[in-house]
Amino acid sequence: NAGVTQTPKFQVLKTGQSMTLQCAQDMNHNSMYWYRQDPGMGLRLIYYSASEGTTDKGEVPNGYNVSRLNKREFSLRLESAAPSQTSVYFCASSVGLAGALGTQYFGPGTRLLVL
Amino acid sequence: GDSVTQMEGPVTLSEEAFLTINCTYTATGYPSLFWYVQYPGEGLQLLLKATKADDKGSNKGFEATYRKETTSFHLEKGSVQVSDSAVYFCALRDDYKLSFGAGTTVTVRA
Repeated sequence: NAGVTQTPKFQVLKTGQSMTLQCAQDMNHNSMYWYRQDPGMGLRLIYYSASEGTTDKGEVPNGYNVSRLNKREFSLRLESAAPSQTSVYFCASSVGLAGALGTQYFGPGTRLLVL
Repeated sequence: GDSVTQMEGPVTLSEEAFLTINCTYTATGYPSLFWYVQYPGEGLQLLLKATKADDKGSNKGFEATYRKETTSFHLEKGSVQVSDSAVYFCALRDDYKLSFGAGTTVTVRA
């Protein structure tokens, strides 16, 4: 039981390049989330998926797209990376939206550097 | 929208010292409150939670009490260990999402 897995762990991009961050969970959770973590700002929600087949914008969706490929997988795409997207990205999942009483399970994160 | 504010760090303590991290919230109702912890190189994990006023959440020697009158959910531990070195996040459930504070970095020295 791996929980929430993310790939890659670390990535360096040049401005304008594109990439997809992958996330998968094996807990049969309905809801999945993408956050970014920046110093002094905590975690901010980029996109979320309440259930398979649905996605919605969070607080900071600009510059990102997502795909809920199936119940297990939720990917985050940067179409044209910008230095402002340098951050640590976390995927999370929960039984239902915002989790059973708020419990979300997080992956180990992807550290992205955009030059 | 609803939000949380937590004390800024970093906080450096000696082993066996008492730890308090302050967290206050702003909300229109009575949201569920949480503390998440992030150990070095890892993702966040739930430390404890409280769902209504006067509830006390506890785990791993940490405690926090949901105080409606002061809109607070301060985290405390009586005797910290080096293994408690981590970043601690206060959070509340705001409708469909969790809203996190900025995080407090705690370092415990042997």
